[in-house]
Amino acid sequence: GAVVSQHPSRVICKSGTSVKIECRSLDFQATTMFWYRQFPKQSLMLMATSNEGSKATYEQGVEKDKFLINHASLTLSTLTVTSAHPEDSSFYICSASRTGVAGDSYEQYFGPGTRLTVT
Amino acid sequence: AQKVTQAQTEISVVEKEDVTLDCVYETRDTTYYLFWYKQPPSGELVFLIRRNSFDEQNEISGRYSWNFQKSTSSFNFTITASQVVDSAVYFCALSVLPLTGGGNKLTFGTGTQLKVEL
Repeated sequence: GAVVSQHPSRVICKSGTSVKIECRSLDFQATTMFWYRQFPKQSLMLMATSNEGSKATYEQGVEKDKFLINHASLTLSTLTVTSAHPEDSSFYICSASRTGVAGDSYEQYFGPGTRLTVT
Repeated sequence: AQKVTQAQTEISVVEKEDVTLDCVYETRDTTYYLFWYKQPPSGELVFLIRRNSFDEQNEISGRYSWNFQKSTSSFNFTITASQVVDSAVYFCALSVLPLTGGGNKLTFGTGTQLKVEL
């Protein structure tokens, strides 16, 4: 159990266009989902925390108007990179925390990641 | 604020050697969790272990073992008899409960690239 999927796994888009990445918890409900960005040979950087039914909380330095996050249901969160530029090219990873499972509140289940290339 | 330090950027070993990956953490919280993840070239994070701050028992899982010492704020990871398939980036991470709610943020270390050669 506790499987998280991401779609697409890879995407190439042209500069100036927008791209949406989906994160789904397949077999559990996730009140909270997280979005990370990872540049080559670097660590994961938390971009934002997404709570179902409310606005996302963005980390300092992350442009909320550029990285739109929607968590409309307990199993789906989306990240939209608006007006993408080459510097947005990165590996985006989502994770989800399981809801209502005793002793599981510290656990995050990670998706396989989405590699975004902006040309 | 939380901080995780993985001082070893890259380690190269020959197959069958033992290798220890270091992790030092900082937090003022008394309740926290520590994690290790493996990230192979495919990019997907593989969960290895979770340890809470009240459990200092060392753990062994096959060729993997973990040494948690609160006195030195360290949570080191040892691979015994390393294999080529162990080649990956390994991340140590720390999680505490946020005061204002909204999810348990993970703070990652910078990772250690392990290369196991024949």
